[in-house]
Amino acid sequence: DAKTTQPTSMDCAEGRAANLPCNHSTISGNEYVYWYRQIHSQGPQYIIHGLKNNETNEMASLIITEDRKSSTLILPHATLRDTAVYYCIVRFAGGTSYGKLTFGQGTILTVHP
Amino acid sequence: GAVVSQHPSWVICKSGTSVKIECRSLDFQATTMFWYRQFPKQSLMLMATSNEGSKATYEQGVEKDKFLINHASLTLSTLTVTSAHPEDSSFYICSAALRDWVYNEQFFGPGTRLTVL
Repeated sequence: DAKTTQPTSMDCAEGRAANLPCNHSTISGNEYVYWYRQIHSQGPQYIIHGLKNNETNEMASLIITEDRKSSTLILPHATLRDTAVYYCIVRFAGGTSYGKLTFGQGTILTVHP
Repeated sequence: GAVVSQHPSWVICKSGTSVKIECRSLDFQATTMFWYRQFPKQSLMLMATSNEGSKATYEQGVEKDKFLINHASLTLSTLTVTSAHPEDSSFYICSAALRDWVYNEQFFGPGTRLTVL
């Protein structure tokens, strides 16, 4: 699976949009971009995933660049409860790596009042 | 969304004892379950992949005789840490994958904190 690069930490004011970047310049055509987050001392929570097109759900939006070498997770109105470690993971969906997620260090997002 | 539970949520044991951790998918059938370990201030590391009715596949460096995994049904997988030592103290997290091949979405349990004295 392709490697990802994320900033170590980011801050965001409550109520503002949080934009978390991820670089995955070696991504291949059949690899998806997944985002999970982990609130302190809890299991990771699935946020969103995408292949080529931008995606939106009730939690967030995922913007993938046209060349697919980077993406941005957007939390439109961050709240204090969004403070967590955010993981960007690139993974081939299928074959012998079925289901396998490789977690990097992620981005520590701190939302301030 | 799909719910995965773990039991116990925390456990303290003496060195040399064995500890069993359960992972259950509560409202769906999971053909595959995964076990992760997370040390303080570090990321999750995959330990093993468990498919229902077959032997688990362990990641490189994980001792299969020390970390016994049983996946006897589509809703239950267990991880037994045998002869636990203080260095095994960690946060153990399981996840379960839905049958949907395309998305391979995983749902994570809340984790079990193991402290070995």
